[in-house]
Amino acid sequence: EVQLVESGGGLVQPGGSLSLSCVASGFTFSDYYMDWVRQAPGKGLEWVARIRQRVKSYTTEYAASVKGRFTISRDDSRKSVYVQMNSLKTEDTAVYYCVRAADSGALFDYWGQGTLVTVSS
Amino acid sequence: DIQMTQSPSSLSASVGDRVIITCRASQRISTSLNWYQHKPGKAPKLLIYGASSVQSGVPPRFSGSGSGTDFTLTINTLQPEDLATYYCQQSYTIPTFGGGTRVEIK
Repeated sequence: EVQLVESGGGLVQPGGSLSLSCVASGFTFSDYYMDWVRQAPGKGLEWVARIRQRVKSYTTEYAASVKGRFTISRDDSRKSVYVQMNSLKTEDTAVYYCVRAADSGALFDYWGQGTLVTVSS
Repeated sequence: DIQMTQSPSSLSASVGDRVIITCRASQRISTSLNWYQHKPGKAPKLLIYGASSVQSGVPPRFSGSGSGTDFTLTINTLQPEDLATYYCQQSYTIPTFGGGTRVEIK
């Protein structure tokens, strides 16, 4: 059974930093793109970041709203994907979902339960 | 970025009704279009991929169609458990989601 379990959410002040982790199980982690998607309170889904596999040189992509502030990474030996979030803004407040992007990123077929990040003073 | 526009933003329908949600892309995206169902407090669930392919385990009352810029999600014979928000998402380029359609049961 495919499982994605996020951790690391919490309360942080504006301008602060936070790191989220996601541990995967039930599939060959190293074969897949991995993404982060978020949902702000009362808002829709917003794609945040992507990291490709080793064969694609672990290349990354970011939404314009987080580029330069967030960094996605992965550790295939730990079956984990991370997002380091710096210079956090109140508008980064959201539930962050770890997502498996299958078929070379064409579809999001498995999602974690999400972890809440609150940016507030 | 490719913008995705969904309509309506919300709807209310009765059990047994047919519900149609539309999604329009700001440029042609072939059939690189997916649909997700999101229930409160749960993880989003993939329903339809490639515009018209039904994900394994999804009830057959859900179907998708379209190509280019215009797409539809149809729920035939609406059930109480279909109460959710539905999102389209393009995968032609960097992913973007539509604004969502909240489906309520009368």
